Amino acid sequence: GQQLNQSPQSMFIQEGEDVSMNCTSSSIFNTWLWYKQDPGEGPVLLIALYKAGELTSNGRLTAQFGTTRKDSFLNISASIPSDVGIYFCAGGDFGNEKLTFGTGTRLTIIP
Amino acid sequence: GAVVSQHPSRVICKSGTSVKIECRSLDFQATTMFWYRQFPKQSLMLMATSNEGSKATYEQGVEKDKFLINHASLTLSTLTVTSAHPEDSSFYICSASRQLMNTEAFFGQGTRLTVV
Repeated sequence: GQQLNQSPQSMFIQEGEDVSMNCTSSSIFNTWLWYKQDPGEGPVLLIALYKAGELTSNGRLTAQFGTTRKDSFLNISASIPSDVGIYFCAGGDFGNEKLTFGTGTRLTIIP
Repeated sequence: GAVVSQHPSRVICKSGTSVKIECRSLDFQATTMFWYRQFPKQSLMLMATSNEGSKATYEQGVEKDKFLINHASLTLSTLTVTSAHPEDSSFYICSASRQLMNTEAFFGQGTRLTVV
């Protein structure tokens, strides 16, 4: 099935640093979602975006719905150890509950 | 957020046996649930869409006779891996949306299946 391209594939940062990752698609989506997955667990919803150009925050997390509707960005400010995990973007369409997932970005914090 | 519960979290079975995985929406009704498979260090791949009261819709390449899905009620969907083989070993995850046609999917905790 189709997957969205997520970049970077992995990140190694120090605690306190800011993090940026993005997700691109060859097709348009009407909704963009960002999830975090810890090892051995299911993904947890972080932020949902519904409007092109929309910028939404959830604590230290900020996500943007690209104006072309073909991309989305996630920023994490002042990273902390519990931010470690895999972040997935997902694209969806109105009237259709099916999601298309990104390839994932693995975040590691270096001591 | 909405709560989706998956059981069991881990299961080990012998080759040739069948394994049933349950997915429950605890605080909402879900007419549609989704089943995903995830290999190590890879993304989630949709296997099938589970529809309450009707047949599941399978993605291309997924054997419907191998992965039986039953959506018996508005809060329960089950995935049965029949005649399991070692290559079926994987992490299986279900999801459900709180409202009809809402793309905010909430995921279960996942089930780690190991076939020996």
